[in-house]
This record gives sequence, structure tokens and C-alpha cells, in this order.
Amino acid sequence: KAGVTQTPRYLIKTRGQQVTLSCSPISGHRSVSWYQQTPGQGLQFLFEYFSETQRNKGNFPGRFSGRQFSNSRSEMNVSTLELGDSALYLCASSRQLFNEKLFFGSGTQLSVL
Amino acid sequence: TQLLEQSPQFLSIQEGENLTVYCNSSSVFSSLQWYRQEPGEGPVLLVTVVTGGEVKKLKRLTFQFGDARKDSSLHITAAQPGDTGLYLCAGAYVQGAQKLVFGQGTRLTINP
Repeated sequence: KAGVTQTPRYLIKTRGQQVTLSCSPISGHRSVSWYQQTPGQGLQFLFEYFSETQRNKGNFPGRFSGRQFSNSRSEMNVSTLELGDSALYLCASSRQLFNEKLFFGSGTQLSVL
Repeated sequence: TQLLEQSPQFLSIQEGENLTVYCNSSSVFSSLQWYRQEPGEGPVLLVTVVTGGEVKKLKRLTFQFGDARKDSSLHITAAQPGDTGLYLCAGAYVQGAQKLVFGQGTRLTINP
């Protein structure tokens, strides 16, 4: 059974640009959550999607958005990138909504210059 | 906002030694998870504890959930270099929707 797949693995962008990250959950998993991981703040929850609807949201500005497709694949978008957005972005899938048993992908390492 | 504090933040010990990592909060959690993350990878779930006072063992790793469900510990016996990694605790709580908060992590290095 394939795990959670995130693409791309690495991204380098400049301030002001926007970026889209992709996540394919484990087959049969309907919930996708996104986290930002930085050395200073640790893992911070961004949002959770289930059945194409955002069900849960963390404390991030509106520049961070996401969506989920009918096949449960998800994308997150960050607009008007800032230096502080440099981080490892992790996607996690689970079978059901609000399920604490998460399966993480390897992440997308975003560097903003 | 629920907070989880992990200690120590960094730990470097020799192979064969024992160690304990702590995860503390002033808040009550409905469950608590421990994850291990290796460089370049996402966290991998090790265990979930649900009941106050619960103890779970995974080979040389022993996990305990506090009686009041506010804290947890991870004890490793006879540490091996393969145990090296970032250990994260995560607590689940309900605030409108169920949420999960992560501790900052303990970066463990086991030296051969």
C-alpha cells in the first residue's frame, strides 16, 4: 500500500511569489491535514480537509489556503511568500475526520529567498 | 490554546544507556500520541495512549500516560543508534472540532 506522497520535495521561491504544494493520501483515507514545521515553532497545524471541505483551521493568515479534490488529493497554496514561510510543509492523511492517527508524507521543503 | 512542553529538547547519550523523555501540559487531553521523525522524512506514529495511567510497551520503548491525562513519558531501555531521531508528542483535545497539538520535540542522538 503506497504511503502519503507529497510533491515536490524541494522548492526555492523568492519573496512575493506564490507556491502550490500537492499531496496524495493513502488509498482509502478521506481526511488530509497540512502542517508547517520549523525549527523554532515545531509542527503547527494549518488546516484539515474532508470530503472536499475545510473542516478545521489553524491560526495562519489568509495567504495560506488549500483545497481537496473528489479523489481526496489535496493542494495547499501560499500567496505573496514571505521569508518566514520557509519551512517543511507536511501533509498527513487519516481514514476519518478528526482522527488523531495520522500518516505523514515526507514533506515539501520550501525555501523563500 | 493547549500547549505541550517536551523535555529535554536535546539529548545525546551512549549506546546501551537508558533515557526518559517527558511531555507535559496543564491541559487535559483525550489521547496522546508519540511520533518519531528521521531527517528528510515525516513523523511516524509510534503509539497512542488514551486512558489515564495507561502504559504501553513497544520492544525497548515504554510509553506512559499520566493519571490526569495531562502528561506522558517515553522511556527507552538500552538505547541503540537506530533510536536516533526527533521524538514528538501530540495531544488531542476538543475545541469545537477535535484538534491535535504537537510538542516542540526531543532531538535524540545515540552514539555508538
